[in-house]
Order: sequence, then structure tokens, then C-alpha cells
Amino acid sequence: AQKVTQAQTEISVVEKEDVTLDCVYETRDTTYYLFWYKQPPSGELVFLIRRNSFDEQNEISGRYSWNFQKSTSSFNFTITASQVVDSAVYFCALSGYLKLTFGKGITLSVRP
Amino acid sequence: EADIYQTPRYLVIGTGKKITLECSQTMGHDKMYWYQQDPGMELHLIHYSYGVNSTEKGDLSSESTVSRIRTEHFPLTLESARPSHTSQYLCASSRSGWVAGNTDTQYFGPGTRLTVL
Repeated sequence: AQKVTQAQTEISVVEKEDVTLDCVYETRDTTYYLFWYKQPPSGELVFLIRRNSFDEQNEISGRYSWNFQKSTSSFNFTITASQVVDSAVYFCALSGYLKLTFGKGITLSVRP
Repeated sequence: EADIYQTPRYLVIGTGKKITLECSQTMGHDKMYWYQQDPGMELHLIHYSYGVNSTEKGDLSSESTVSRIRTEHFPLTLESARPSHTSQYLCASSRSGWVAGNTDTQYFGPGTRLTVL
């Protein structure tokens, strides 16, 4: 069975702080993909990144960076110099055969 | 960039009414999905489709039904709405297959917030 655990439920930071959102997954598949989505207060889910299980290189996109470690089954997401617009719920997800398994989400609040 | 649309965005309706939530995508994706999400909570898959004339129930039992007559269209219907159906409904789509270098990224619509009084 597939499982995604986002142990942090709510995080509150002050603007310009760095923040890391944790994601731990379980799967028996040898080939899989990991994703992060952002859900702002407006409600839609915005795709941020996908990562192939064979590619453990970290990725950086502007203020966002992702650390994938297969040895610990983790795919953590760091926001550098957070901004108020980063306030949202962030979901980590794991691909399976035809379906995604989502974590319960982390609510990030960035205060001015 | 994904092109997936949902209407209405907001719907307030009385108990017992029949409703249809519309979802359309213009990307030619074979797979489509419906999720139910209460405010601030996790997403629950309630229906999915592999392609035309294919529909399957998801992980969360739902009284809603779906149809897939056209590739681009995946409407969800509630025959008799009840207050327990109050929730946000999110539609998504993705390309098919596990082709090397490809992925099953799901792209989401803006959602429909349903309130049943």
C-alpha cells in the first residue's frame, strides 16, 4: 500500500524566514514519481514539481528547492526568504498505478 | 500550462435538488478524476476515468455518479443533494501511460464549492 506522511500540520513564519516542509512516503514500487502541489486560499491546486524515483538530484527553482532522499524516503520542500504570497496549504503526493496518493497537507502561514 | 475548467465555481442549493458539476479539459488527456475536499482537509478521490466509457469509483465512497461520453468532458451528478454533500469538488486530468520520460502529473481545475442547505 502507498502512503504519504506530512507530519507537520501547520507552520507559521515571519516573512523572509526560510521554511522546510517535510514529506515522507512509503511504496513498494521501484518506479514512481513524487509531486508537490500548492493550494492557495482561492482553492485550486497548483502543480509545483514532479520528481522521478531514479533522479535524486536536488532541484532549485527561484526561492523553491526540493531535496529528494531515497535512503530515507523523503522529498522535502524548502522555501527561501518566504513571502506572504507563499501562504497556502502544500500537498505532497506519490504516484501509483493510475492514481496519486496525497498527504494530508501542511498549512503554511507567512506573517508580514 | 493546464487548461481544465469547472463550473459552477460556487453553488448553493436546497436539499433534494439534482445537481451536475461540470468539468472539461482541452488537453486531450485520457485520464480524469474527481476529488472531494472539506475546507483545510485532505483530498479524497471519489471517481476516476481511464477514457471514454470508462468510470471507476475511488477510495472514498460517494453517492455521486459520473459519466465519460467524450474525452474532454467528465461531469459529476448528485441525484438528490443533502447537507452532508457540502464540500469542495476538484476535477483533474492527466496524460495516459508510463512512457519513459513521461509522468502522470495531474492538473487540477479551480474547483466547485458546493453548499447544500
